[in-house]
Amino acid sequence: DTEVTQTPKHLVMGMTNKKSLKCEQHMGHRAMYWYKQKAKKPPELMFVYSYEKLSINESVPSRFSPECPNSSLLNLHLHALQPEDSALYLCASSQTETAYGYTFGSGTRLTVV
Amino acid sequence: LAKTTQPISMDSYEGQEVNITCSHNNIATNDYITWYQQFPSQGPRFIIQGYKTKVTNEVASLFIPADRKSSTLSLPRVSLSDTAVYYCLLHTGKLIFGQGTTLQVKP
Repeated sequence: DTEVTQTPKHLVMGMTNKKSLKCEQHMGHRAMYWYKQKAKKPPELMFVYSYEKLSINESVPSRFSPECPNSSLLNLHLHALQPEDSALYLCASSQTETAYGYTFGSGTRLTVV
Repeated sequence: LAKTTQPISMDSYEGQEVNITCSHNNIATNDYITWYQQFPSQGPRFIIQGYKTKVTNEVASLFIPADRKSSTLSLPRVSLSDTAVYYCLLHTGKLIFGQGTTLQVKP
């Protein structure tokens, strides 16, 4: 298995909702990442997990809460989002935090209404 | 963090060789040069990486001069399906994306 799987592919949520994005990989990678991408912009790094521990938080608002339950899973919990948070959320993994060649998932298209 | 500069957009025709140059004047000793490709509504895909001189794989070649202040991604004989955004990144630890080059391949 050489893929990063993200679910759901599309999500519409209200500003008072709580939802979660899920990311899964079975490549034995020990580093996992969340990126946010707005239309026609490059991906922006949000969080880095290394060996299931949060390594980097790029000053992301607390309405985004990451979680890494085990080495294969990465979640992003969403609460009280704003319409400007609508974007493509991408998950990626690599063998370790310093390894090259990230594998990205296809993303979750999030719309906040 | 070191930054990269690349053209915003490029046009080419099917069958041509495409060269995309990236400038990284402040590259650090430990930085590797990495290129990713991204199609609309998909995640970026790793293409190639290098440290110096030339690297070639089944998809592309990467040319890096001795001073490492620039690099050139070469795509041989492009097809319509190569239309995408191409990102040049310096990789030391975390992967930070610049603006990328939108390549449009025409028939």
